[in-house]
Parts: sequence; C-alpha cells; structure tokens
Amino acid sequence: GDSVTQTEGLVTVTEGLPVMLNCTYQTAYSDVAFFWYVQYLNEAPKLLLRSSTDNKRTEHQGFHATLHKSSSSFHLQKSSVQLSDSALYYCALRGGSNAKLTFGKGTKLSVKS
Amino acid sequence: GALVYQYPRRTICKSGTSMRMECQAVGFQATSVAWYRQSPQKTFELIALSTVNSAIKYEQNFTQEKFPISHPNLSFSSMTVLNAYLEDRGLYLCGAGDWSSQNTLYFGAGTRLSVL
Repeated sequence: GDSVTQTEGLVTVTEGLPVMLNCTYQTAYSDVAFFWYVQYLNEAPKLLLRSSTDNKRTEHQGFHATLHKSSSSFHLQKSSVQLSDSALYYCALRGGSNAKLTFGKGTKLSVKS
Repeated sequence: GALVYQYPRRTICKSGTSMRMECQAVGFQATSVAWYRQSPQKTFELIALSTVNSAIKYEQNFTQEKFPISHPNLSFSSMTVLNAYLEDRGLYLCGAGDWSSQNTLYFGAGTRLSVL
C-alpha cells in the first residue's frame, strides 16, 4: 500500500531562518496528488499546499513545495519562519481518483524567538 | 469557502456505551467523506471512506459493526462508535471533499472522545 515518511518528531527553528520539512513517499499509483496540511493546537487540519505536477513549484502563505517523482519527495520549505508557524505539519498522498489520503506521522515545528 | 463542522467537539462516554458524532459540509458538496482517528501520538488512522453511489469502504482493523457510518446527502455524515472502550479514545476527524476540487479533503476540528 501507499506510505508517507516525514521528518519525525520536533523541528526547532529560530525566527527568521529557513526551514525544510522532509516528506518522501512510496506508491504504486501513477496518478497521484500530494498535500501538506497544517494543524494548530485544538484546530482542524488546514490545507496548506497541494500538487500533482512533477517538478512544478507550488506556493502558499510563504511556504513552497515541489513534487519530485524522481526522488519520491514533496518537501515543504519556507525561507523565513515566523513564530505563528509553530504547528503540526502533515504530508499526505492520494493515489488514484478516490479521496483517500495516506498521511505521514507529522512533524512538529517550533519557532523560537 | 469550504468549511466542515463537527459536533460535538468533546464527549465522554462510559465504557461499553455508544457515541454518535456528526459532520456537516458547508459551501461545497461532500461527494466523499473520510473518517479518521488521530491518536494521542498525533498519527492519522483512516477508518473508512464514503463516496456517493459507492459502498462505504472500511480500512483494515475497522468494521461497520463497530463504526457504522451514514452519508445520506451531500452535506452530512455521521459515525457512531459502538461499545466504546479505552482503546477507542482519540480525536475523530471528518474530511470531506468534492469532485470539483479534485477530491481535496477539508477537515473539521474533530470530536474528541474520552471513555471512562
């Protein structure tokens, strides 16, 4: 079945510095889409980015990610993090045309001043 | 925009009793509804996926007999946890999507189930 692997545990970054949260995957599907969700404490997971196009950069709210099928990766990056970016980040894969998402275990981003 | 509401937000039930939770989509047609459980370790487990005009598909380790789901129209779904025990504790998330947004799932804030 599908699987998603993320940087596990806690990533701590100083405000204003860049961050990259890793996401790699395994899937047998050729028709795939990828998502990053952000979940703040006691809130719903919110869609941050999505992509299904190889080698195309996708951006939203200062975050960006590029799907690289050659390396099976969809890493999330931001050039300058803010304190408000502290949250849980989940990478997810959808294989085929149905709505089922396979999630990674999540990465907790903590931004310190 | 696409919004998903879940209620109740929190609930406590006695061991062996049942609890029903609801999910409402606003601003779009929920042609697909996926129910997940988020563990205390924050991982997501898919319980089942419901798509209109198709049978509800349950994941391994989850059954209709334990987690019956209803998806009667394009804005509402409910799931019941029957005979709840300690291992059923967690945050139950509803993700709803429609064909026009390529089945991107939008999530509610969840129903947190505690079992005494």
